[in-house]
Amino acid sequence: DGGITQSPKYLFRKEGQNVTLSCEQNLNHDAMYWYRQDPGQGLRLIYYSQIVNDFQKGDIAEGYSVSREKKESFPLTVTSAQKNPTAFYLCASSITGAANEQFFGPGTRLTVL
Amino acid sequence: QKEVEQNSGPLSVPEGAIASLNCTYSDRGSQSFFWYRQYSGKSPELIMSIYSNGDKEDGRFTAQLNKASQYVSLLIRDSQPSDSATYLCAVRIISNFGNEKLTFGTGTRLTIIP
Repeated sequence: DGGITQSPKYLFRKEGQNVTLSCEQNLNHDAMYWYRQDPGQGLRLIYYSQIVNDFQKGDIAEGYSVSREKKESFPLTVTSAQKNPTAFYLCASSITGAANEQFFGPGTRLTVL
Repeated sequence: QKEVEQNSGPLSVPEGAIASLNCTYSDRGSQSFFWYRQYSGKSPELIMSIYSNGDKEDGRFTAQLNKASQYVSLLIRDSQPSDSATYLCAVRIISNFGNEKLTFGTGTRLTIIP
């Protein structure tokens, strides 16, 4: 089955720890995105990548880092510099850029203890 | 002014009636518009995309776009309890630096009353 997978589904982190969220897609999409969703708020763009080995900061990149070494994979690291990391993290992909339809993975819910 | 605005609701509609969801946007140059449905605790699911002025129908869903007035709407006919969800409007916007991105509204929570 084609689709986007994210792992883990739930993640608990202690303050001061870095954690990495996984995102994999087998849709052969060029572009991948990371969003953050807080209760009662819309999705906010963290980072995006339109081709392998290239990525751009979104609206709220501070405290986050990404890599795009393979077309299929776009992991997100939440660093200790992110002051309020508890949120629902969503990965998406599309054929080319934001002009085309974005499809989302199931999400990772991160809680800082 | 927010780039994409939606009424947060909740919007309550009787089963079998038409639900009407609205979205306005600020960037006149926007070309692509999307509606996503998000059930509580789940990720958004794309249900409609529209690129040209007018109506686009897909089953019980109709998207309407009016670029002159900068609004896009979603109509759901014969509303079912399974349509109860939050509906997110997304607009493709070109940033000040020339990058393209989707900007999302905060969503409208729809409840279908049996």
